Amino acid sequence: ILNVEQSPQSLHVQEGDSTNFTCSFPSSNFYALHWYRWETAKSPEALFVMTLNGDEKKKGRISATLNTKEGYSYLYIKGSQPEDSATYLCAFENYGQNFVFGPGTRLSVLP
Amino acid sequence: NAGVTQTPKFQVLKTGQSMTLQCAQDMNHEYMSWYRQDPGMGLRLIHYSVGAGITDQGEVPNGYNVSRSTTEDFPLRLLSAAPSQTSVYFCATVTSGGTGELFFGEGSRLTVL
Repeated sequence: ILNVEQSPQSLHVQEGDSTNFTCSFPSSNFYALHWYRWETAKSPEALFVMTLNGDEKKKGRISATLNTKEGYSYLYIKGSQPEDSATYLCAFENYGQNFVFGPGTRLSVLP
Repeated sequence: NAGVTQTPKFQVLKTGQSMTLQCAQDMNHEYMSWYRQDPGMGLRLIHYSVGAGITDQGEVPNGYNVSRSTTEDFPLRLLSAAPSQTSVYFCATVTSGGTGELFFGEGSRLTVL
């Protein structure tokens, strides 16, 4: 069973703070790394899909980097806003199109 | 486009009862899957299908059956519900053959008493 880890499990930041989370995944049989944003009572929505070592993707104030050789990805949020409060999931995708999710990082942005 | 539609959204069962969670998609995606979400454990894959007539087990398949007779539908059956199956279930689809994103249904909250 593949192990995908995320840290921290949860964090609280003040509005305007910048923050980042980590996703660790197996470096073998790697095909893609996904990031999803999951608001309470809604379904997860895709933020990024990254495939290449060194990939960097950005969407507004949120960005992500990928290191496939060492098996980690960082998600950054610049100038956090209360609407950024959600659980952020990463998922490792292998060549068999199997997705393994991490347990998520729950972010609370305090106004 | 409706995307991925799950029914029912909520269900309460007694131990030993059976039921089917429905998942339908109108995006012509080949890949469909079922996950369960439990506190502190993220999303765990129950079963998945890469096309009509093809199904396979995920990480936690015991107690669940699936079938894929059409591209659009991927029902999840609980044959004899147990309290350990109390969870939130998500259906997710993606187009095959590429690094596409998963599209999720709205979830089905199941409680087994």
